[in-house]
Amino acid sequence: DGGITQSPKYLFRKEGQNVTLSCEQNLNHDAMYWYRQDPGQGLRLIYYSQIVNDFQKGDIAEGYSVSREKKESFPLTVTSAQKNPTAFYLCASSAGQEYNEQFFGPGTRLTVL
Amino acid sequence: GQNIDQPTEMTATEGAIVQINCTYQTSGFNGLFWYQQHAGEAPTFLSYNVLDGLEEKGRFSSFLSRSKGYSYLLLKELQMKDSASYLCASMDSNYQLIWGAGTKLIIKP
Repeated sequence: DGGITQSPKYLFRKEGQNVTLSCEQNLNHDAMYWYRQDPGQGLRLIYYSQIVNDFQKGDIAEGYSVSREKKESFPLTVTSAQKNPTAFYLCASSAGQEYNEQFFGPGTRLTVL
Repeated sequence: GQNIDQPTEMTATEGAIVQINCTYQTSGFNGLFWYQQHAGEAPTFLSYNVLDGLEEKGRFSSFLSRSKGYSYLLLKELQMKDSASYLCASMDSNYQLIWGAGTKLIIKP
């Protein structure tokens, strides 16, 4: 079955620790995205990548970092510089840029204590 | 600036029809998406409109007016499982999705 997986589903970390969220897709999609979702707000784009070894900042990239070493994988690191990291994080992928139907993973709920 | 507006919450009765409106202002326009999101889960794709008019897909239909910057999602024969948030997103000139905050739809028996 093709799809996107994110792990873990729930993650707890202490303040000041970096944490890496996993995102893997086997849809053979070129583009991958990371969003953050907070109550009462729309999805906000953190980073996106249109091709391996290349990625761009989204609207709220500060305090986050990503890598795209393989087409299938797009991990997100939430660093200690992120002021308010507790949120629901969604990874998505799409076949290309112009027709941008995005397929989402199940999400990771990060809680920083 | 870029902006997507949709109602925060709506309530409807099982078996009825509901229309969820969305107005958008984005830098350029390459289409309008609707997604459904159940609480704590991933959004799932419902529809994509890039031309004016109504697109029907089973119980769900989506309408677009580009001149008015307006779209709606129409849900017919409502079922309890339709209780979810419905997200409107406009694709801008850079092919990035600009998302609304979502409309929480509550279905009552």
